[in-house]
Amino acid sequence: GAVVSQHPSWVICKSGTSVKIECRSLDFQATTMFWYRQFPKQSLMLMATSNEGSKATYEQGVEKDKFLINHASLTLSTLTVTSAHPEDSSFYICSAPWESTDTQYFGPGTRLTVL
Amino acid sequence: AQSVAQPEDQVNVAEGNPLTVKCTYSVSGNPYLFWYVQYPNRGLQFLLKYITGDNLVKGSYGFEAEFNKSQTSFHLKKPSALVSDSALYFCAVRGNAGNNRKLIWGLGTSLAVNP
Repeated sequence: GAVVSQHPSWVICKSGTSVKIECRSLDFQATTMFWYRQFPKQSLMLMATSNEGSKATYEQGVEKDKFLINHASLTLSTLTVTSAHPEDSSFYICSAPWESTDTQYFGPGTRLTVL
Repeated sequence: AQSVAQPEDQVNVAEGNPLTVKCTYSVSGNPYLFWYVQYPNRGLQFLLKYITGDNLVKGSYGFEAEFNKSQTSFHLKKPSALVSDSALYFCAVRGNAGNNRKLIWGLGTSLAVNP
């Protein structure tokens, strides 16, 4: 299957700082990518849809000024958690649909811990 | 509204026995159905999908799923479970209307295969 990478795989930061997470599709181009958040032993919560060359589409209840998304190229989307607080600690996962297969492929996830 | 139900939070099965993880869905139009598996602290791995064609779909690691339109179900099955199959399994659905690639997720089922 297709490969999607995420970096970093884990990060610990102090409250008030910003953290950037990268999501790359390694062997296909993705005009759209998805960012999810997952709490322990829970399902995926879609945060936003990242669109190459245009603004991201945020789900209801997700603060767009707090979770900045940039889809700079057909293989890279970034999620920046601004002014992080302990309640932002979570597992963040990105996915990219490989259009020719109608299938989403997921990155390995980023564990964010805010102290 | 589109929805996915995984009625069992946890399924326990003995190694070597057949396993079934249940999924039912509600979507307008013809559904695109997916199963993913998640190992601890990892992203999701694609297992199999149904879009069209044969109702019985075979996927990775010996898993298969049967699309049943009348029962709106897409249960995941494996004839003989392995301890290494122990993981969290997610069912997802996407309607085929328009250009919306968002997936609707079930809450997940934790599979425990006992030696």
